[in-house]
Amino acid sequence: NAGVTQTPKFRVLKTGQSMTLLCAQDMNHEYMYWYRQDPGMGLRLIHYSVGEGTTAKGEVPDGYNVSRLKKQNFLLGLESAAPSQTSVYFCASSYAVFFEATEAFFGQGTRLTVV
Amino acid sequence: KNEVEQSPQNLTAQEGEFITINCSYSVGISALHWLQQHPGGGIVSLFMLSSGKKKHGRLIATINIQEKHSSLHITASHPRDSAVYICAVNRNYGQNFVFGPGTRLSVLP
Repeated sequence: NAGVTQTPKFRVLKTGQSMTLLCAQDMNHEYMYWYRQDPGMGLRLIHYSVGEGTTAKGEVPDGYNVSRLKKQNFLLGLESAAPSQTSVYFCASSYAVFFEATEAFFGQGTRLTVV
Repeated sequence: KNEVEQSPQNLTAQEGEFITINCSYSVGISALHWLQQHPGGGIVSLFMLSSGKKKHGRLIATINIQEKHSSLHITASHPRDSAVYICAVNRNYGQNFVFGPGTRLSVLP
């Protein structure tokens, strides 16, 4: 049982390049989330999904797109990377929306540097 | 002002010491979570609580809903407890999971 798996774990991009981060969960969770973690700040929600084929914007969605074509996968895309997107990205999933009365499951994180 | 605050921001302790990390919040909540993030690693859930106290091994979490405050205690601390401890709350409305900034704990042998 792998839980939540993110790939890649590290990536360096040049400004303007694009990339996709993949999140996969094997717990049959309906709800999946992408967060970014910056020094001195709490994790901030980028986008989330309440089920296959559905996505919604979070607190800091600009510059990112997401897709949830399969229930177990949630992809985060950067179309034109900017230095402000240098961060650690975490994927999470849960049985209930926004971890209401349920445990939160997180991936190992992706450290992205945009130069 | 952040809805979830933690103190201290950084904490260094000697092995064996009793450690307390505090979390205060300013919104109505249905539950509070304590999470642990090891260096270079992912985030794991330690506790979810809506009242009273929970204990797991050497870790104890308490919450006072009236005072909007929670504490995470570590008894007989060990270097492997070194991590960032994050408090997060389920708000009663909106996109309702809000994280605190974390407390970085270093336990020295």
